[in-house]
Amino acid sequence: AQSVSQHNHHVILSEAASLELGCNYSYGGTVNLFWYVQYPGQHLQLLLKYFSGDPLVKGIKGFEAEFIKSKFSFNLRKPSVQWSDTAEYFCAVNRGGGSNYKLTFGKGTLLTVNP
Amino acid sequence: KAGVTQTPRYLIKTRGQQVTLSCSPISGHRSVSWYQQTPGQGLQFLFEYFSETQRNKGNFPGRFSGRQFSNSRSEMNVSTLELGDSALYLCASSLVTGTFMNTEAFFGQGTRLTVV
Repeated sequence: AQSVSQHNHHVILSEAASLELGCNYSYGGTVNLFWYVQYPGQHLQLLLKYFSGDPLVKGIKGFEAEFIKSKFSFNLRKPSVQWSDTAEYFCAVNRGGGSNYKLTFGKGTLLTVNP
Repeated sequence: KAGVTQTPRYLIKTRGQQVTLSCSPISGHRSVSWYQQTPGQGLQFLFEYFSETQRNKGNFPGRFSGRQFSNSRSEMNVSTLELGDSALYLCASSLVTGTFMNTEAFFGQGTRLTVV
């Protein structure tokens, strides 16, 4: 069964600091990869996604992620965080080419950005 | 265009009761998935429906069930509620088809279920 690990449970940064959130998955086949964000009181929103092609993907709000197949990783980055980035971030994986749609999520990383 | 709509937003039920949650997907989306979100376990997959058929089920007891209607709207039912069923239940819809899976899921606001 596939699983997703997010290494950081809670990250605290000051505004303008750089961000990197780790995500590793355990599945040897083709995968689709996602980062979702959940702002306080709001629904899960897609930040970015990877299906194939360029392993460096850019998402909304200045976020990007790099897929490293050999490391089974899909780390999320942002060069300069803002107070409004305070939220919980979830990495998710879906098997590519399967016959049903199931997202496996990591436990999430709570990001607190201090002004 | 309208997003994924879940009703009700909040529910308080007593142990032993049953509950039905509703989800209306984005127009044109035929795949609907359900997830349970708790502080301890995070987001866990419950089941996925496509064209009124359950295609996959997560590791939950049989008290958790669901269905999908011909208009793609979905309901999930939990019978004999336990305190541990207290959670945020999220519904997601996507444009996946029978074999095309390369797309994202769009989530609703969720139904917050509290079992007392």
